[in-house]
Formats: sequence, structure tokens, C-alpha cells
Amino acid sequence: GAVVSQHPSWVICKSGTSVKIECRSLDFQATTMFWYRQFPKQSLMLMATSNEGSKATYEQGVEKDKFLINHASLTLSTLTVTSAHPEDSSFYICSATLAGHQETQYFGPGTRLLVL
Amino acid sequence: GENVEQHPSTLSVQEGDSAVIKCTYSDSASNYFPWYKQELGKRPQLIIDIRSNVGEKKDQRIAVTLNKTAKHFSLHITETQPEDSAVYFCAALSHTGGFKTIFGAGTRLFVKA
Repeated sequence: GAVVSQHPSWVICKSGTSVKIECRSLDFQATTMFWYRQFPKQSLMLMATSNEGSKATYEQGVEKDKFLINHASLTLSTLTVTSAHPEDSSFYICSATLAGHQETQYFGPGTRLLVL
Repeated sequence: GENVEQHPSTLSVQEGDSAVIKCTYSDSASNYFPWYKQELGKRPQLIIDIRSNVGEKKDQRIAVTLNKTAKHFSLHITETQPEDSAVYFCAALSHTGGFKTIFGAGTRLFVKA
């Protein structure tokens, strides 16, 4: 149980285009989802915390107008990278937690984004 | 902001030896400390965790210790095997500004056969 999926697993796009990444909890309802970005040989950096039905909370330094997060249901959160540029190329990972169990994070498999 | 420091960044050991990774955290309110193993291109996998009311926890070849006063926690892997080679991240659940997990920078472990 507690499986999180991400789609797509990898994407290549041209500079200036927008890319949407989906994060789904397949067998549980996730009240909170987190979006991380991981550059090569670096750690996971939290971008934003997403709660169902409310606006996402962005970490300092993360542009909310560039990284649009929508958490419309208890099983789906989306991250849209708007007007992507080569420096946005990274590994994007989401995670989800159950209500009342904030400790345990269930990670998605990640989405590798390459912006040309 | 809240911070987790991790050392060493790279660790190379001979198969069968022990490996120790150390972390410190800054948020005194943190009470949950997970450790993750990440293989190249894969998602992080939880390998062990410890809560602040416990000083030590062991699971087969893996053990974690916590010194809450000093805000230190460590991962110990005994009898290392080549398949233990991966990047290991320590983390702390921060309660400042909402619940969020702060990750250390990671330790790249190489186990030489």
C-alpha cells in the first residue's frame, strides 16, 4: 500500500514552453503533498507544500508564479513549470503524507526534466 | 532557516567494514529523524528512523543513534556489502512554519568488494 506515482517519468522540452508534472497517491488519500527538486549530486530541496483545496506554501526563493502547484483532490497534485529554461532542468520528486501521519512520506519515482 | 548538516560527503569502505554517517540539526523542536537511501535516478527509500524519545534503534545491520541534547544523530552500517553503495540522506522533521522535512546534503557511500 501507500504508492505514489508521477507522470511523466521524463520529459524533454524547448526553452520557453510549460511542462506539467502529475503526482498521484494511488491507494490512499493524501492531505499533504510535497514537491522537491534535486539537481545532480545534490540533496532534495523542498520547493513547496501543497494541501488539498488550499494554496500551496512555497519555500523561500521559489517563484510561485513560475512553479504553479494545484492540489485539486486528495489523490492528485500537479506542478507546472512555466516558461521553462535550461536552468530548470532537474529531477522533480513529489511525496505524500497521510492525515495525522506527517512523519511518513511516500515518495513518487521522480520526473526528470531536460530543457533545451 | 532550519538546517541539517551531514558528514562526510563521500565515504569509501572495504566490504565487511563499518560505515558511519553523522548529522546535526538546528530545529530544537524536531522530533523525528528518518534516513533515506537513494540509488541513481531512483526515489529515496526510508531505511530507518528514530524519534526523539529514543536514543538508539537497530534493524539488522543498520543502527541509528540520537543525542537530542547535542542535536546529533548518526547512521551506522555494519558488515557493509557492495549493494549498500548509494547516496544516504539524513533528515529531520521540522515544525517551524508547518511540518516539513529538511534533508542533509547526502553521503555517497562506496563499498569496495
